[in-house]
Amino acid sequence: DTGVSQDPRHKITKRGQNVTFRCDPISEHNRLYWYRQTLGQGPEFLTYFQNEAQLEKSRLLSDRFSAERPKGSFSTLEIQRTEQGDSAMYLCASSLWTSGESGELFFGEGSRLTVL
Amino acid sequence: AQSVAQPEDQVKVAEGNPLTVKCTYSVSGNPYLFWYVQYPNRGLQFLLKYITGDNLVKGSYGFEAEFNKSQTSFHLKKPSALVSDSALYFCAVREPRSGNTPLVFGKGTRLSVIA
Repeated sequence: DTGVSQDPRHKITKRGQNVTFRCDPISEHNRLYWYRQTLGQGPEFLTYFQNEAQLEKSRLLSDRFSAERPKGSFSTLEIQRTEQGDSAMYLCASSLWTSGESGELFFGEGSRLTVL
Repeated sequence: AQSVAQPEDQVKVAEGNPLTVKCTYSVSGNPYLFWYVQYPNRGLQFLLKYITGDNLVKGSYGFEAEFNKSQTSFHLKKPSALVSDSALYFCAVREPRSGNTPLVFGKGTRLSVIA
């Protein structure tokens, strides 16, 4: 399968612990996005990368959240000192962006975080 | 700031009947508009997009959407619904500008097609 893959698919943790999610985008895609989705809501933008550069971060992304894409391929999203409010589905998406490209995103199946 | 509204949390239609899932948007300038579908335990899948040109856009699985600039709407339609169309549908908008902007999604509409 050459789609976007995310790992782990499910994570249960205790409040205060750190968690890390990994996303492997479609190989030729230069942009990678992180979104968060809670029950009954649409995906909310967190941050995105073009190659290894982090171009934009949402105000939703508190200082407990950090994302990296060190070699311009896979990305990690780390949440430190998790809180119950962090419980959500974390979605990764990728796209091949060139000037004038429409921005169609290809999503992974998500990583579901439950903070107890 | 760009935004999307999906006024209906749920839409129910009988199999074989036409379906419409509504979406309105707010954006500066000309929007890029998208529809995505989410099946249970699956990632979001792209259905169709409007960038420019013909206001009626055709997409995957027999879906189409009509861009209406005066009403700032981009409703999703299908002439004959299938039970397998039952899923969560998201409208999204992007405001094209220098440097690009991420997609902004609506809250979603759950479509139930009843046999």
